[in-house]
Amino acid sequence: QVQLVQSGAEVKKPGASVKVSCKASGYIFTNYGITWVRQAPGQGLEWMGWINTYNGNTNYAQKFQGRVTMTTDTSTGTAYMELRSLRSDDTAAYFCARDRDDSSGPGGHWGQGTLVTVSS
Amino acid sequence: SYELTQPSSVSVSPGQTARITCSGDVLAKTYARWFQQKPGQAPILLIYKDIERPSGIPERFSGSSSGTTVTLTISGAQVEDEADYYCYSAADKWVVFGGGTKLTVL
Repeated sequence: QVQLVQSGAEVKKPGASVKVSCKASGYIFTNYGITWVRQAPGQGLEWMGWINTYNGNTNYAQKFQGRVTMTTDTSTGTAYMELRSLRSDDTAAYFCARDRDDSSGPGGHWGQGTLVTVSS
Repeated sequence: SYELTQPSSVSVSPGQTARITCSGDVLAKTYARWFQQKPGQAPILLIYKDIERPSGIPERFSGSSSGTTVTLTISGAQVEDEADYYCYSAADKWVVFGGGTKLTVL
């Protein structure tokens, strides 16, 4: 069955970087893109960006341009999201989600979420 | 840029029909999806392409579309449907979630 397993919780200081991983299994990794979404405590879902796992093309939300990098390792079926210059308002749960069968964008398969806490 | 506007909260009694709207200009030219999220959990896809329901989603969840508004309808809402609901859409390179609607069933 399709599974997306994310890396564990992180605590970072302001100004640092964090790299969250999302390991896929149960399907052909390069057949589906991966979306990254975050959710600050008590807030709504926020789309961060999307990566084409076949060719590495990305589409980032304007808000994160220059601060986020999404990559993949096709040999292990893992997607990564790195966020730099962390601030306290980057404290959030970060989710990865696989494309649907018929279109890009988050579908029915999500990772469990990774809590990133930014605090001095 | 595009925005999707949802009511912040909707409240119904068990067995009643709950309707959650999502409005935005982008919806006139592209499809919407609906997600359900319960506390501490990842979102679940309820509806895609405005009206399609993935396998495994109960029939009481349905979607509709008219112009620049899409609607999620929960027919005969149950206590376990109490959750946050988000619409989602994408056009060109713009991708956005609605602000979310807290559904209370009591």
